[in-house]
Amino acid sequence: KQEVTQIPAALSVPEGENLVLNCSFTDSAIYNLQWFRQDPGKGLTSLLLIQSSQREQTSGRLNASLDKSSGRSTLYIAASQPGDSATYLCAVRPRNQAGTALIFGKGTTLSVSS
Amino acid sequence: DTGVSQDPRHKITKRGQNVTFRCDPISEHNRLYWYRQTLGQGPEFLTYFQNEAQLEKSRLLSDRFSAERPKGSFSTLEIQRTEQGDSAMYLCASSSLGGSANEKLFFGSGTQLSVL
Repeated sequence: KQEVTQIPAALSVPEGENLVLNCSFTDSAIYNLQWFRQDPGKGLTSLLLIQSSQREQTSGRLNASLDKSSGRSTLYIAASQPGDSATYLCAVRPRNQAGTALIFGKGTTLSVSS
Repeated sequence: DTGVSQDPRHKITKRGQNVTFRCDPISEHNRLYWYRQTLGQGPEFLTYFQNEAQLEKSRLLSDRFSAERPKGSFSTLEIQRTEQGDSAMYLCASSSLGGSANEKLFFGSGTQLSVL
């Protein structure tokens, strides 16, 4: 059964720092991996989607990498800003499991201080 | 607003009451998902529609839960005889039929349910 783990659970950094959020998954048979952002009490906003055949995706100050063979993904945030404070969730779409549902990690809560 | 819309945003109910939530997906999206999220956890899949057909249900979806998407547009999620354990954020997401490799989900803001 696919499981997704995110480390650390929480992270506090001063403004301007570069940071890395980690995501690991137990079964490398996936269609894709997605990173989402969630603000308190709100829904999820899709940040980046990496297909299983891809190694990385970039959007602005965000860069996500995927190493499918080792079951790992990282989300790199450059020059962090207070507005980046949110919970970041990683999710995979399994290939071998019946169904189409995304499997989510518990998220990393990021706090960027000014 | 062309995003996914959910109503109500918040619902407080007493144990044993029935509640119904509504989701309006992005208009051209034919896939619609329901997820449930409790505090400190990631979202958990409940059920999924392609057009009006309910194609998949999670084991989390007990017989007190029912979902419909009658005309392949908006969807409703009903919980009968609510229990305190049903307290959670109920999230709706939609997508267009882009294939499993590049299907991107767009989420609504959710309905926060509190069962007293």
